[in-house]
Amino acid sequence: KAGVTQTPRYLIKTRGQQVTLSCSPISGHRSVSWYQQTPGQGLQFLFEYFSETQRNKGNFPGRFSGRQFSNSRSEMNVSTLELGDSALYLCASSSSGAYTGELFFGEGSRLTVL
Amino acid sequence: DQQVKQNSPSLSVQEGRISILNCDYTNSMFDYFLWYKKYPAEGPTFLISISSIKDKNEDGRFTVFLNKSAKHLSLHIVPSQPGDSAVYFCAASADDDDMRFGAGTRLTVKP
Repeated sequence: KAGVTQTPRYLIKTRGQQVTLSCSPISGHRSVSWYQQTPGQGLQFLFEYFSETQRNKGNFPGRFSGRQFSNSRSEMNVSTLELGDSALYLCASSSSGAYTGELFFGEGSRLTVL
Repeated sequence: DQQVKQNSPSLSVQEGRISILNCDYTNSMFDYFLWYKKYPAEGPTFLISISSIKDKNEDGRFTVFLNKSAKHLSLHIVPSQPGDSAVYFCAASADDDDMRFGAGTRLTVKP
């Protein structure tokens, strides 16, 4: 069974640009959640999608957005990038939801903003 | 708001000894707790979980203890092995809410 796949793995952007990250969940999983990992802050919840609907949202500004497609693949977009957006962005899938049971994580997309 | 706190950023233990990782939470609505392990350049992987109706869950060398009155949980690894060296994240969730993670504790097991 293929795991969670995130692309791209690494990317470098400059301030003011925008970026789109992609996540393909485990086959059959309908929930995809996104987390930002920065040193000392752990994993900060961004949002969760279930069956194409945003079910939960964390405390991030509106520059962070996401969507989920009918095949459960998800994308997150960050507009008007800031230096502080440099982080590892992790996607996780589950069969039921981010708040129940085990999450399966991808390897992450490491974003560097210059 | 850090609802899940791991106050020790790092822990170093000798191989064969016990590793104890601690986690505190503030939200009394949390009813499900998990530990994840993360190696460099990999995503976190699920390690062990416990629901609020239990105070202990064991899986091989790993045991999680939950003290609801103190809003505290801990992960015990016995005996510790060098391959256990990783960052450990504590996570908690409540019904209809997202999973909250702590900042992580970097465990180093020395041979």
